[in-house]
Amino acid sequence: TQLLEQSPQFLSIQEGENLTVYCNSSSVFSSLQWYRQEPGEGPVLLVTVVTGGEVKKLKRLTFQFGDARKDSSLHITAAQPGDTGLYLCAGANPGTYKYIFGTGTRLKVLA
Amino acid sequence: DAGVTQSPTHLIKTRGQQVTLRCSPISGHKSVSWYQQVLGQGPQFIFQYYEKEERGRGNFPDRFSARQFPNYSSELNVNALLLGDSALYLCASSPLGQLTYNEQFFGPGTRLTVL
Repeated sequence: TQLLEQSPQFLSIQEGENLTVYCNSSSVFSSLQWYRQEPGEGPVLLVTVVTGGEVKKLKRLTFQFGDARKDSSLHITAAQPGDTGLYLCAGANPGTYKYIFGTGTRLKVLA
Repeated sequence: DAGVTQSPTHLIKTRGQQVTLRCSPISGHKSVSWYQQVLGQGPQFIFQYYEKEERGRGNFPDRFSARQFPNYSSELNVNALLLGDSALYLCASSPLGQLTYNEQFFGPGTRLTVL
């Protein structure tokens, strides 16, 4: 069974701090997506990474796909209260139509 | 452009009842996937449909079924509801149903409570 482990599970930081969220698996994924989810709403797609070693930036967010396409990281610079939410990674399972979601990282940024 | 829409937004049922959830994908998207998200966890894959055919199924019992219509909208049916079926049910649409890079866009979900 494929698993995507995210760490940390919970993170509470002050506004202006930097943070990194990790998404790890022993399996290879054809692509990996990062989402942010607010309470009671569906996940909102932030980015998709496809190529091993790929780095994508979205304003203060930097996403990296591992060289072996088994892991990914999300780095937030100078976090703001608006970054608060549940961050989810999801890997596309090669050869199937399934997306495997990670366990999630709940981030709270305090003003 | 309208995003993925789901109905109803909230639903309360009792054990043993049956429920039907509905999803309309983004215009032009031909693939719909269904996920179950239990409180505090990441979404779990239930089904994917593409061009009205089931393309993938997660580890869910046969009480869960789905279908996709010619206009690409979809329904998820759950029979003989159990307390453990209480969750947020998410629908995601994708432009493609191929075995390659394929982005998903989620609807707001249907919150199902089973009493």
